[in-house]
Amino acid sequence: AQKVTQAQTEISVVEKEDVTLDCVYETRDTTYYLFWYKQPPSGELVFLIRRNSFDEQNEISGRYSWNFQKSTSSFNFTITASQVVDSAVYFCASCFDDYKLSFGAGTTVTVRA
Amino acid sequence: NAGVTQTPKFQVLKTGQSMTLQCAQDMNHNSMYWYRQDPGMGLRLIYYSASEGTTDKGEVPNGYNVSRLNKREFSLRLESAAPSQTSVYFCASSEGGAGLYEQYFGPGTRLTVT
Repeated sequence: AQKVTQAQTEISVVEKEDVTLDCVYETRDTTYYLFWYKQPPSGELVFLIRRNSFDEQNEISGRYSWNFQKSTSSFNFTITASQVVDSAVYFCASCFDDYKLSFGAGTTVTVRA
Repeated sequence: NAGVTQTPKFQVLKTGQSMTLQCAQDMNHNSMYWYRQDPGMGLRLIYYSASEGTTDKGEVPNGYNVSRLNKREFSLRLESAAPSQTSVYFCASSEGGAGLYEQYFGPGTRLTVT
């Protein structure tokens, strides 16, 4: 069965610091999909990125970047020059069949002004 | 476009009571999902509906039933609520399979069972 582990429960940084969130997954499948979602204090989950197992290219979107490494089964997420608005719970998730997403426990990021 | 809407936003039930959580989406999505979120556990899939007319169990289906009323609506029913079902419930929808398409989430329903 697939499993996603986010070892960091909480991270607290000062504004403008960089923060990296770790995500490690377990799977026996050759085809799988990985995701990151953000849950701000308002409560709704917001999709950030999707990556399939055949695409190991790193991705950058503004201050967000993702590092996918199959060799270490990791899909880490970095926020560069963090801002107070980045304070949220961030979830890593994997898809182990067409319809089932398996979420990690989440990492709470607090950015202090 | 309202996206995914859920009613109610908050609910308090006594043990043994029943209730139905409603979910609707206006994006013409084929697939819909129900999750529960508990502290320290992330989101866990309760049931999903890959397309209108089909429903399947997720990771934690016990104590719940679902109905895909039409393409827009997917309801979650608790027949006899238990304190262990105290949680935040999220409905989501996607154009197709969860691997290929992002899921859009509703605002959640905070349920307390006393």
